[in-house]
Amino acid sequence: QKEVEQNSGPLSVPEGAIASLNCTYSDRVSQSFFWYRQYSGKSPELIMSIYSNGDKEDGRFTAQLNKASQYVSLLIRDSQPSDSATYLCAVTVLNRDDKIIFGKGTRLHILP
Amino acid sequence: SAVISQKPSRDICQRGTSLTIQCQVDSQVTMMFWYRQQPGQSLTLIATANQGSEATYESGFVIDKFPISRPNLTFSTLTVSNMSPEDSSIYLCSVEQGVSTDTQYFGPGTRLTVL
Repeated sequence: QKEVEQNSGPLSVPEGAIASLNCTYSDRVSQSFFWYRQYSGKSPELIMSIYSNGDKEDGRFTAQLNKASQYVSLLIRDSQPSDSATYLCAVTVLNRDDKIIFGKGTRLHILP
Repeated sequence: SAVISQKPSRDICQRGTSLTIQCQVDSQVTMMFWYRQQPGQSLTLIATANQGSEATYESGFVIDKFPISRPNLTFSTLTVSNMSPEDSSIYLCSVEQGVSTDTQYFGPGTRLTVL
């Protein structure tokens, strides 16, 4: 089983709607969870980090973590065309020397 | 977050040659990482570079092919040796910084094309 799994997409969402991006991970001792945004030809940019079960909100972004289900998601409210990018889910694991394991990413396309 | 720069931003190289990529950070950091991102793929960790010790390489990556230097807390280099077209990729350095020390921030990347 892959360590971090994401639907590759593309996920198409109308402008102004909520975009929901999902990620599952295989290692139960995972401790830290991150969402990065990567525009085409650019490097990944950290959007959110989450460490505890529940929701964490930052502006239009909400990260949701459910460790029992090994599931982390990112919601983008009031989606804008500028949100069109690839979103990478990343997980660190205890005793892995701070290494981050990345998913393959979900391509999000916001339809004007 | 730290300001991270990489040189060169892109290069086109001939098969069999080597390229050294530089990563400079505007503040001292303990952990630096080198990643590769092949076209259409996610990030793959090549190695972890700590100042004052040998780099730690991930499975599938060896020091002879990807020698790394970490002379101080703000700088690191990655060399891609004896290049082949399969080495064409984006190479990214990242650093740990912030309140939670496992948060990584990425440099702009080096786009390498090997002919």
